[in-house]
Amino acid sequence: AQSVAQPEDQVNVAEGNPLTVKCTYSVSGNPYLFWYVQYPNRGLQFLLKYITGDNLVKGSYGFEAEFNKSQTSFHLKKPSALVSDSALYFCAVRDENGANNLFFGTGTRLTVIP
Amino acid sequence: EAGVAQSPRYKIIEKRQSVAFWCNPISGHATLYWYQQILGQGPKLLIQFQNNGVVDDSQLPKDRFSAERLKGVDSTLKIQPAKLEDSAVYLCASSIDGTFHEQYFGPGTRLTVT
Repeated sequence: AQSVAQPEDQVNVAEGNPLTVKCTYSVSGNPYLFWYVQYPNRGLQFLLKYITGDNLVKGSYGFEAEFNKSQTSFHLKKPSALVSDSALYFCAVRDENGANNLFFGTGTRLTVIP
Repeated sequence: EAGVAQSPRYKIIEKRQSVAFWCNPISGHATLYWYQQILGQGPKLLIQFQNNGVVDDSQLPKDRFSAERLKGVDSTLKIQPAKLEDSAVYLCASSIDGTFHEQYFGPGTRLTVT
């Protein structure tokens, strides 16, 4: 069975500091991994994905994520946080052998403090 | 490129009433999804369409929920009769096809059942 864990409900970081939002996953085969961001009263917006290839994936708005197969992790990172990055972040996974059924984590609320 | 459209944005109904949601996916996207997002949780897939056929409806409470995708484009999701626990945001998403491509989400419909 597929599952995603986001161990932190809330992450606070000062503006200009690096940020990390953690995600670990469980799938039976090779994973397809995604990060989405949700702003208030808006739908989820795609940030980046890992399908295959380079373990470091770059996405929108300066975000990147590192796929670590041995630790089954896909942490989201940004070198310098902006106040506008404050939002709810969701990690999602699907099994390459399954239907295109994304399993989402419970979300991490990121607050960037001015 | 126009995004995924959903209506209405908000709906308040009493329990045992019926309600319907509408979704128009991104033009050319073959795959359409309906998710339920309960407050404090990640989205959970209810049903997935490939063109006008159902790929996965294993999580759809079929005794009260129904969905259709007319002519492989627009889709409607209906709840009849509604229960208090159906209060949630209903998200529609679409993707090019049912493989590893990212899903694009609409703004959602916030349903409150009283």
